[in-house]
Amino acid sequence: DIQMTQSPSFLSASVGERVTLSCKASQNINKYLDWYQQKLGEAPKLLIYNTNNLHTGIPSRFSGSGSGTDYTLTISSLQPEDVATYFCLQRNSWYTFGAGTKLELK
Amino acid sequence: EVQLVESGGGLVQPGRSLKLSCAASGFTFSNYYMAWVRQAPKKGLEWVATISTSGSRTYYPDSVKGRFTISRDNAKSSLYLQMNSLKSEDTATYYCARRAASLDYWGQGVMVTVSS
Repeated sequence: DIQMTQSPSFLSASVGERVTLSCKASQNINKYLDWYQQKLGEAPKLLIYNTNNLHTGIPSRFSGSGSGTDYTLTISSLQPEDVATYFCLQRNSWYTFGAGTKLELK
Repeated sequence: EVQLVESGGGLVQPGRSLKLSCAASGFTFSNYYMAWVRQAPKKGLEWVATISTSGSRTYYPDSVKGRFTISRDNAKSSLYLQMNSLKSEDTATYYCARRAASLDYWGQGVMVTVSS
């Protein structure tokens, strides 16, 4: 089974700050990596699929990159509405989610 | 607008069964694989099941294989999850999701609590 490790588990950042979240797979996942945002009490919402493709309606301040085992979600300028937990998902072999990064405002 | 609405959750005793439903609208249901994903309280997400467009192929992780059955009724645009031999560790919010390039749209979720 492929394991997904997200870091950091918790992040505090200021409005307007550039934020980078990481996700590391236990083996090559061939860019089958997606990012989700989950706000408190809500369902997860797809942000990015296949490493760097922005889902419909997602603001352009969100971007993704990576290859092999290492992937990154970047928020170019943090907004108050971005406070949420972010999960990565690998789809190279079945589905495995990361444990999440909780993002809060400083 | 894509909408997925789950129902059928509740409190159930260990060893008993429960069937969840997911009503889909806003897209051609029969054209998409569908999936169930769960989230235990204050925990991460776990994939539970996937079904092909026709329903002929189904996929499960080992944690639920043999106990859970995913099915669909394309005429009713509905997805189901039959859960048997429930355990306390099955307690979670269950989400149905549409599978396109990824799991691109999710329902609001339904809570299942397994407890005596």
